[in-house]
Amino acid sequence: AQTVTQSQPEMSVQEAETVTLSCTYDTSESDYYLFWYKQPPSRQMILVIRQEAYKQQNATENRFSVNFQKAAKSFSLKISDSQLGDAAMYFCAYRPLMNYGGSQGNLIFGKGTKLSVKP
Amino acid sequence: NAGVTQTPKFRILKIGQSMTLQCAQDMNHNYMYWYRQDPGMGLKLIYYSVGAGITDKGEVPNGYNVSRSTTEYFPLRLELAAPSQTSVYFCASRAGGITDTQYFGPGTRLTVL
Repeated sequence: AQTVTQSQPEMSVQEAETVTLSCTYDTSESDYYLFWYKQPPSRQMILVIRQEAYKQQNATENRFSVNFQKAAKSFSLKISDSQLGDAAMYFCAYRPLMNYGGSQGNLIFGKGTKLSVKP
Repeated sequence: NAGVTQTPKFRILKIGQSMTLQCAQDMNHNYMYWYRQDPGMGLKLIYYSVGAGITDKGEVPNGYNVSRSTTEYFPLRLELAAPSQTSVYFCASRAGGITDTQYFGPGTRLTVL
Protein backbone atom coordinates (compact mmCIF):
# COMPACT_ATOMS: atom_id res chain seq x y z
CA ALA A 1 0.00 0.00 0.00
CA GLN A 2 1.10 3.50 -0.71
CA THR A 3 2.09 5.67 2.22
CA VAL A 4 3.07 9.30 2.66
CA THR A 5 5.37 10.46 5.45
CA GLN A 6 5.92 13.99 6.68
CA SER A 7 8.66 13.81 9.28
CA GLN A 8 8.37 17.40 10.55
CA PRO A 9 5.29 17.86 12.75
CA GLU A 10 6.09 21.57 13.18
CA MET A 11 8.29 24.11 11.45
CA SER A 12 8.92 27.78 12.01
CA VAL A 13 10.21 30.47 9.67
CA GLN A 14 10.93 34.16 9.93
CA GLU A 15 8.86 36.41 7.71
CA ALA A 16 10.56 36.98 4.31
CA GLU A 17 12.80 33.93 4.81
CA THR A 18 12.70 30.59 2.99
CA VAL A 19 11.51 27.31 4.48
CA THR A 20 11.44 23.75 3.13
CA LEU A 21 8.89 21.15 4.18
CA SER A 22 9.79 17.50 3.69
CA CYS A 23 7.71 14.67 2.31
CA THR A 24 8.58 11.11 1.37
CA TYR A 25 6.30 8.48 -0.05
CA ASP A 26 6.32 4.81 -0.74
CA THR A 27 4.92 3.31 -3.92
CA SER A 28 5.74 0.64 -6.44
CA GLU A 29 4.09 2.59 -9.24
CA SER A 30 5.98 4.54 -11.87
CA ASP A 31 3.23 7.01 -12.75
CA TYR A 32 1.36 9.02 -10.13
CA TYR A 33 0.70 12.53 -8.91
CA LEU A 34 1.91 14.43 -5.89
CA PHE A 35 0.32 17.43 -4.24
CA TRP A 36 0.84 19.93 -1.48
CA TYR A 37 -2.29 21.22 0.22
CA LYS A 38 -2.50 24.12 2.66
CA GLN A 39 -5.02 24.05 5.50
CA PRO A 40 -5.36 27.36 7.36
CA PRO A 41 -7.31 27.65 10.62
CA SER A 42 -10.49 27.96 8.56
CA ARG A 43 -10.00 24.22 7.75
CA GLN A 44 -10.42 24.79 4.02
CA MET A 45 -8.12 22.53 1.99
CA ILE A 46 -6.33 24.67 -0.59
CA LEU A 47 -4.24 23.18 -3.38
CA VAL A 48 -0.79 24.77 -3.37
CA ILE A 49 1.05 22.86 -6.06
CA ARG A 50 0.99 19.59 -7.97
CA GLN A 51 3.58 17.45 -9.69
CA GLU A 52 3.16 14.72 -12.28
CA ALA A 53 5.65 11.91 -11.73
CA TYR A 54 6.46 11.61 -15.42
CA LYS A 55 7.64 15.23 -15.53
CA GLN A 56 11.25 15.71 -14.56
CA GLN A 57 10.88 19.45 -14.25
CA ASN A 58 9.99 20.63 -10.76
CA ALA A 59 6.66 22.42 -10.47
CA THR A 60 6.57 26.09 -9.46
CA GLU A 61 3.72 28.36 -8.42
CA ASN A 62 4.85 31.88 -7.59
CA ARG A 63 6.66 31.65 -4.21
CA PHE A 64 6.07 27.90 -3.94
CA SER A 65 8.26 25.33 -5.61
CA VAL A 66 8.98 21.65 -5.17
CA ASN A 67 12.05 19.48 -5.25
CA PHE A 68 10.88 16.21 -6.74
CA GLN A 69 13.36 13.35 -6.45
CA LYS A 70 11.64 10.36 -8.01
CA ALA A 71 14.33 7.79 -7.30
CA ALA A 72 14.49 8.84 -3.67
CA LYS A 73 10.68 9.13 -3.48
CA SER A 74 11.01 12.57 -2.04
CA PHE A 75 8.77 15.60 -2.65
CA SER A 76 9.71 18.66 -0.63
CA LEU A 77 7.99 22.05 -0.72
CA LYS A 78 9.97 25.26 -0.65
CA ILE A 79 8.27 28.49 0.34
CA SER A 80 10.25 31.59 -0.54
CA ASP A 81 9.75 35.06 0.92
CA SER A 82 7.48 33.64 3.62
CA GLN A 83 4.45 35.70 4.55
CA LEU A 84 2.28 35.74 7.66
CA GLY A 85 -0.56 34.32 5.57
CA ASP A 86 1.51 31.22 4.86
CA ALA A 87 1.03 30.05 8.44
CA ALA A 88 -1.04 26.86 8.22
CA MET A 89 -0.96 23.08 8.20
CA TYR A 90 0.62 21.72 5.05
CA PHE A 91 -0.26 18.28 3.79
CA CYS A 92 1.60 16.25 1.23
CA ALA A 93 -0.62 13.92 -0.78
CA TYR A 94 -0.14 11.15 -3.31
CA ARG A 95 -2.58 10.04 -5.97
CA PRO A 96 -2.22 6.84 -7.95
CA LEU A 97 -3.12 6.73 -11.59
CA MET A 98 -6.75 6.15 -12.23
CA ASN A 99 -8.12 2.61 -11.93
CA TYR A 100 -4.78 1.14 -10.98
CA GLY A 101 -4.98 -1.19 -7.99
CA GLY A 102 -8.56 -0.16 -7.38
CA SER A 103 -7.77 3.54 -7.09
CA GLN A 104 -10.47 5.93 -8.20
CA GLY A 105 -8.44 9.07 -7.90
CA ASN A 106 -8.58 9.45 -4.14
CA LEU A 107 -5.72 11.15 -2.33
CA ILE A 108 -3.43 9.54 0.23
CA PHE A 109 -2.29 12.10 2.79
CA GLY A 110 0.61 12.50 5.16
CA LYS A 111 0.00 13.64 8.73
CA GLY A 112 0.88 17.23 7.98
CA THR A 113 3.41 19.87 9.04
CA LYS A 114 2.31 22.89 11.03
CA LEU A 115 4.11 25.98 9.75
CA SER A 116 4.43 29.07 11.89
CA VAL A 117 5.63 32.38 10.47
CA LYS A 118 7.27 34.83 12.85
CA PRO A 119 6.98 38.56 12.13
CA ASN B 1 -20.30 28.46 -8.79
CA ALA B 2 -20.52 27.59 -5.11
CA GLY B 3 -18.13 24.66 -5.64
CA VAL B 4 -18.44 22.00 -2.94
CA THR B 5 -20.73 22.83 -0.04
CA GLN B 6 -21.22 20.95 3.22
CA THR B 7 -23.77 21.23 5.97
CA PRO B 8 -23.75 21.51 8.90
CA LYS B 9 -20.46 23.21 9.82
CA PHE B 10 -20.56 21.91 13.38
CA ARG B 11 -22.56 19.25 15.18
CA ILE B 12 -22.56 17.58 18.56
CA LEU B 13 -24.11 14.13 18.81
CA LYS B 14 -24.80 11.84 21.72
CA ILE B 15 -23.58 8.26 21.58
CA GLY B 16 -26.02 6.13 19.64
CA GLN B 17 -27.62 8.99 17.72
CA SER B 18 -27.66 9.08 13.93
CA MET B 19 -27.21 11.90 11.49
CA THR B 20 -26.57 12.70 7.85
CA LEU B 21 -23.78 14.97 6.67
CA GLN B 22 -24.78 16.74 3.52
CA CYS B 23 -22.50 17.39 0.56
CA ALA B 24 -23.36 19.07 -2.73
CA GLN B 25 -21.35 20.20 -5.73
CA ASP B 26 -22.50 22.34 -8.65
CA MET B 27 -19.64 21.54 -11.02
CA ASN B 28 -21.22 18.43 -12.56
CA HIS B 29 -18.33 16.33 -11.30
CA ASN B 30 -18.54 12.58 -11.63
CA TYR B 31 -16.27 11.66 -8.74
CA MET B 32 -17.05 12.48 -5.14
CA TYR B 33 -15.27 11.52 -1.92
CA TRP B 34 -15.74 11.56 1.82
CA TYR B 35 -12.68 11.89 4.04
CA ARG B 36 -12.26 12.20 7.77
CA GLN B 37 -9.49 14.07 9.51
CA ASP B 38 -8.66 13.08 13.07
CA PRO B 39 -6.63 15.43 15.30
CA GLY B 40 -2.99 15.58 14.24
CA MET B 41 -3.58 13.32 11.26
CA GLY B 42 -4.04 13.59 7.55
CA LEU B 43 -7.28 12.84 5.77
CA LYS B 44 -8.44 9.27 5.34
CA LEU B 45 -10.92 8.08 2.72
CA ILE B 46 -14.26 6.81 4.01
CA TYR B 47 -16.31 6.29 0.84
CA TYR B 48 -16.23 7.43 -2.73
CA SER B 49 -18.51 7.53 -5.76
CA VAL B 50 -17.66 7.46 -9.46
CA GLY B 51 -21.10 8.56 -10.58
CA ALA B 52 -24.78 8.54 -9.67
CA GLY B 53 -25.76 5.15 -8.29
CA ILE B 54 -22.19 3.90 -7.89
CA THR B 55 -20.41 3.98 -4.54
CA ASP B 56 -17.61 2.02 -2.91
CA LYS B 57 -15.74 1.76 0.37
CA GLY B 58 -12.52 3.53 1.14
CA GLU B 59 -9.98 2.93 3.89
CA VAL B 60 -12.21 3.56 6.95
CA PRO B 61 -15.88 2.80 6.04
CA ASN B 62 -17.08 1.13 9.24
CA GLY B 63 -19.96 2.96 10.90
CA TYR B 64 -20.87 4.94 7.79
CA ASN B 65 -23.11 4.65 4.78
CA VAL B 66 -23.46 6.68 1.62
CA SER B 67 -25.81 7.06 -1.29
CA ARG B 68 -25.59 8.90 -4.59
CA SER B 69 -28.91 9.22 -6.35
CA THR B 70 -27.88 12.30 -8.35
CA THR B 71 -24.63 13.79 -9.63
CA GLU B 72 -24.90 16.78 -7.30
CA TYR B 73 -25.42 15.19 -3.89
CA PHE B 74 -23.39 12.71 -1.90
CA PRO B 75 -24.66 12.44 1.70
CA LEU B 76 -22.81 10.54 4.41
CA ARG B 77 -24.88 8.74 7.01
CA LEU B 78 -23.64 7.97 10.51
CA GLU B 79 -25.59 5.25 12.26
CA LEU B 80 -25.22 4.74 16.01
CA ALA B 81 -22.61 7.44 16.56
CA ALA B 82 -19.58 6.51 18.65
CA PRO B 83 -16.86 8.71 20.25
CA SER B 84 -14.39 7.26 17.73
CA GLN B 85 -16.31 9.12 15.02
CA THR B 86 -15.40 12.49 16.50
CA SER B 87 -13.56 14.08 13.61
CA VAL B 88 -13.67 16.68 10.87
CA TYR B 89 -15.36 15.40 7.74
CA PHE B 90 -14.50 16.65 4.27
CA CYS B 91 -16.35 16.09 1.07
CA ALA B 92 -14.48 16.49 -2.21
CA SER B 93 -15.20 16.19 -5.91
CA ARG B 94 -13.41 16.11 -9.21
CA ALA B 95 -14.51 15.96 -12.81
CA GLY B 96 -12.74 12.82 -13.93
CA GLY B 97 -9.74 12.14 -16.12
CA ILE B 98 -6.19 11.64 -15.11
CA THR B 99 -4.93 15.14 -14.48
CA ASP B 100 -7.85 16.97 -12.91
CA THR B 101 -7.86 18.52 -9.47
CA GLN B 102 -9.84 17.48 -6.42
CA TYR B 103 -11.91 20.28 -4.85
CA PHE B 104 -12.76 20.20 -1.16
CA GLY B 105 -15.71 21.46 0.82
CA PRO B 106 -15.18 23.50 4.01
CA GLY B 107 -15.62 20.52 6.33
CA THR B 108 -17.99 19.51 9.12
CA ARG B 109 -16.67 19.28 12.67
CA LEU B 110 -18.49 16.46 14.47
CA THR B 111 -18.21 15.72 18.17
CA VAL B 112 -19.74 12.59 19.68
CA LEU B 113 -20.19 12.69 23.47
